[in-house]
Amino acid sequence: QKEVEQNSGPLSVPEGAIASLNCTYSDRVSQSFFWYRQYSGKSPELIMSIYSNGDKEDGRFTAQLNKASQYVSLLIRDSQPSDSATYLCAVERGRGSTLGRLYFGRGTQLTVWP
Amino acid sequence: GAVVSQHPSRVICKSGTSVKIECRSLDFQATTMFWYRQFPKQSLMLMATSNEGSKATYEQGVEKDKFLINHASLTLSTLTVTSAHPEDSSFYICSATDRTYNEQFFGPGTRLTVL
Repeated sequence: QKEVEQNSGPLSVPEGAIASLNCTYSDRVSQSFFWYRQYSGKSPELIMSIYSNGDKEDGRFTAQLNKASQYVSLLIRDSQPSDSATYLCAVERGRGSTLGRLYFGRGTQLTVWP
Repeated sequence: GAVVSQHPSRVICKSGTSVKIECRSLDFQATTMFWYRQFPKQSLMLMATSNEGSKATYEQGVEKDKFLINHASLTLSTLTVTSAHPEDSSFYICSATDRTYNEQFFGPGTRLTVL
């Protein structure tokens, strides 16, 4: 079983729509969860981090975490063509000696068409 | 956010040669740096974790004798791909952090092509 799995996509939505990205993880002791955006040929950039169950909103982005279901999602409201990119879910495994080690999903490619 | 640089951004080398990639934290002291590799249309794969002044910790399946990591100062870590082969061609990305941050800061990546 892979550490982190994402809906593989690609996902295509019209401008102004809501894009929904999903991620599941296998390690129950994971504490920290991140969503990154990666443009082709570039390194990832952090969009959201979430540590507690529930929702976390930042502008047009909302991250949702459910540790019991080992599930984390990202909603992008009012999607813009500039949001077109690959979105990577990352999980920080445990704590202590493994602090900071991130494990990434394969990513979901999002296209927002005008 | 903090800034991390990598050098070179792109390198092409012949099979059998060694290549060194530098990762620098420009405006903070990075107690921990990470090295990732990304093949086309694949995710980032963590290769190793390096703490300043100590040996790197490699992920399972990563050959430590092939991928030499040195973290000699709080602002510089290097990855040396020894005896590179075409299958080592990939996008290598470093990240850096310290205890005051809750996130890793990624460098822009290095595209390695081995002919």
